[in-house]
Amino acid sequence: SQQGEEDPQALSIQEGENATMNCSYKTSINNLQWYRQNSGRGLVHLILIRSNEREKHSGRLRVTLDTSKKSSSLLITASRAADTASYFCATAETGANNLFFGTGTRLTVIP
Amino acid sequence: DAGVIQSPRHEVTEMGQEVTLRCKPISGHNSLFWYRQTMMRGLELLIYFNNNVPIDDSGMPEDRFSAKMPNASFSTLKIQPSEPRDSAVYFCASSSLAANNEQFFGPGTRLTVL
Repeated sequence: SQQGEEDPQALSIQEGENATMNCSYKTSINNLQWYRQNSGRGLVHLILIRSNEREKHSGRLRVTLDTSKKSSSLLITASRAADTASYFCATAETGANNLFFGTGTRLTVIP
Repeated sequence: DAGVIQSPRHEVTEMGQEVTLRCKPISGHNSLFWYRQTMMRGLELLIYFNNNVPIDDSGMPEDRFSAKMPNASFSTLKIQPSEPRDSAVYFCASSSLAANNEQFFGPGTRLTVL
């Protein structure tokens, strides 16, 4: 089940630039999570933002959440070649154990 | 903790053969998820278990697919008979409510059906 949609589908930037990825979803949520997937690997959890939070930071990551627009954004500042990966948003509905993953954004950071 | 363990990491089989994928979740996690990922369809949830009980199997594509979780530390996903269109990477993930349902993914099993 994929509830979220991400935009853009692919993004290519130069090392040192900022990368912004957006996620839209459809229903009420308890929290929204961002995951990263390196080629050939499983997804790895990056950051979680609760429905009553608007912004959260973790290192070079900044996540925003707008529940009125049902959207979230992930900003990676000062990107590095090692940030090259696919990034997925995932939403958790209240009372449910499963997550609904978005379609992913493929980020390429050019050295 | 070793994280979520999946086996085998790679499986190549011929059409019509039975395939069994295995997963050991993180100790203490009470939810387990099976996903399939392909370029065409992206990441699809096949089935998930809470406390070893299947909760939602609506993502299981056909009767050829079945999943079991006989105990809290082991799950299998079986495809019988396999078909070329089943070729994909199959991920297992586990989570716990205490950790806000953050899911921990295994390394995946890359299945190729010839």
